Amino acid sequence: EVQLVQSGGGLVQPGESLRLSCVASGFTIRDNYMSWLRQAPGKGLEWVSVIYGGNSAYYADSVKGRFTISRDNSKNTLNLEMNNLRVEDTAVYFCARALFYDHSGSFDFWGQGTLVTVSS
Amino acid sequence: EIVMTQSPLSLPVTPGEPASISCRSSQSLLHSTGYNYFDWYLQKPGQSPQLLIYLGSNRASGVPDRFSGRGSGTEFTLNISRVEAEDVGIYYCMQALETPLTFGGGTRVEIK
Repeated sequence: EVQLVQSGGGLVQPGESLRLSCVASGFTIRDNYMSWLRQAPGKGLEWVSVIYGGNSAYYADSVKGRFTISRDNSKNTLNLEMNNLRVEDTAVYFCARALFYDHSGSFDFWGQGTLVTVSS
Repeated sequence: EIVMTQSPLSLPVTPGEPASISCRSSQSLLHSTGYNYFDWYLQKPGQSPQLLIYLGSNRASGVPDRFSGRGSGTEFTLNISRVEAEDVGIYYCMQALETPLTFGGGTRVEIK
C-alpha cells in the first residue's frame, strides 16, 4: 500500500529555518517525480517544488534560493529544507507523488499535510 | 507562468442532479505526446486533495464513474452526472505542462 507520512513543521519566527520530511512506503521515491505543495490558511493550492531523475529540481519563484528539496534514497524519504522563512510561507505543506515517470503532475498520492507557521 | 481560471467560484448542488465546473488555461496544455497535461482534484473538508481526473479525461483509480473530464487545449470541464452528498468540497484544476505547476482558484461545491 502506498503511503506518504509527513513530519516536521511547527511555529518559527521570521528568518528562521525548518525541515519537513515525507517518508514513503509502498514504492521507491527515486523512481518518481516527487513534489511539495502548500496551502495558506483559507487559500488555494500552490505548487512549491519538484525533484526527479538524478537530482533535478525546480522551484516556485516565491521560494527559490530559500528552499531546497532533496531525497534520502536510503530512507525512502523526501525532504524540504526551508531557510529564511517569511510570514507569507505560513501554510499547510503537502508532499505528493506524481503518477507518471515522465512529467511532474497528476499527483496520485498525498501526504497528510503539516502546518508551518511563521510568526513573531 | 500559465494562469488557470476556474468557474464558478461556488456551486450549490442538489443531490441526484448534474453539475459542471469549467477551467480555462492561458495557453494550450496539449503536449507533443498528444495528451493534455491537465488534472482535476477534489479537496474534501479537512483532507488532503485527491486526484480525480488526469491527462484531461482519465479517471484516477477508485474515482466513481459519475465523474468525467472533457476538453482540450485551453478549455476543460469536469462533469458530475449525479451529485452525491460525499462530493462536497473544493475542486481544483491544475496544469502540469510546465513549471511552475499552477492551479485554478477552486470551486466550492456544497449541497443546497
